[in-house]
Amino acid sequence: EPEVTQTPSHQVTQMGQEVILRCVPISNHLYFYWYRQILGQKVEFLVSFYNNEISEKSEIFDDQFSVERPDGSNFTLKIRSTKLEDSAMYFCASKLPGANQPQHFGDGTRLSIL
Amino acid sequence: AQSVAQPEDQVNVAEGNPLTVKCTYSVSGNPYLFWYVQYPNRGLQFLLKYITGDNLVKGSYGFEAEFNKSQTSFHLKKPSALVSDSALYFCAVRAPGFNDMRFGAGTRLTVKP
Repeated sequence: EPEVTQTPSHQVTQMGQEVILRCVPISNHLYFYWYRQILGQKVEFLVSFYNNEISEKSEIFDDQFSVERPDGSNFTLKIRSTKLEDSAMYFCASKLPGANQPQHFGDGTRLSIL
Repeated sequence: AQSVAQPEDQVNVAEGNPLTVKCTYSVSGNPYLFWYVQYPNRGLQFLLKYITGDNLVKGSYGFEAEFNKSQTSFHLKKPSALVSDSALYFCAVRAPGFNDMRFGAGTRLTVKP
């Protein structure tokens, strides 16, 4: 069964540095998402992306964050000037068109800001 | 606005007993409702969904959920719990016309032998 893959599995970065989290969504999916989960707690929506543009974003997704689909397979989340509170699990998800379609999640990237 | 509430942080059941994990939602219009399970160090795995039709929805691993419009609930159930069902369970809602989902805070299910 096709899967969403995320790299790296764990990223350690100094505060103030920029990080790029990478995701390869399922190949025929058209909607892409990033979520954040702090220490096994609530899963928080960050952003959704469709047709090469952001379709929705939460209040968490401020100017520090950006997303990009640089080619036909990758979907990236960039976090600039990282802060300690950015430490979390970041999950990528993708889905087919249609409101009844579920999102499929990757196993996440654990981001640790030192 | 769309939101879900999972009123229980933790649910403990004995193996073989029935389990229920509660979820209530708030959304304008007819909701699309989902349950996901998360095992340690893994992403969220889709269990089941309610879109329309029969209020009782069957999903993976013997789980089912009942949609109750009057109570705005979508409780997850299983007739006989297994130790391997122990995990974190998330309810999610998507409002009509939106592509993103809102997740509940999660309920940690522990099934004891």
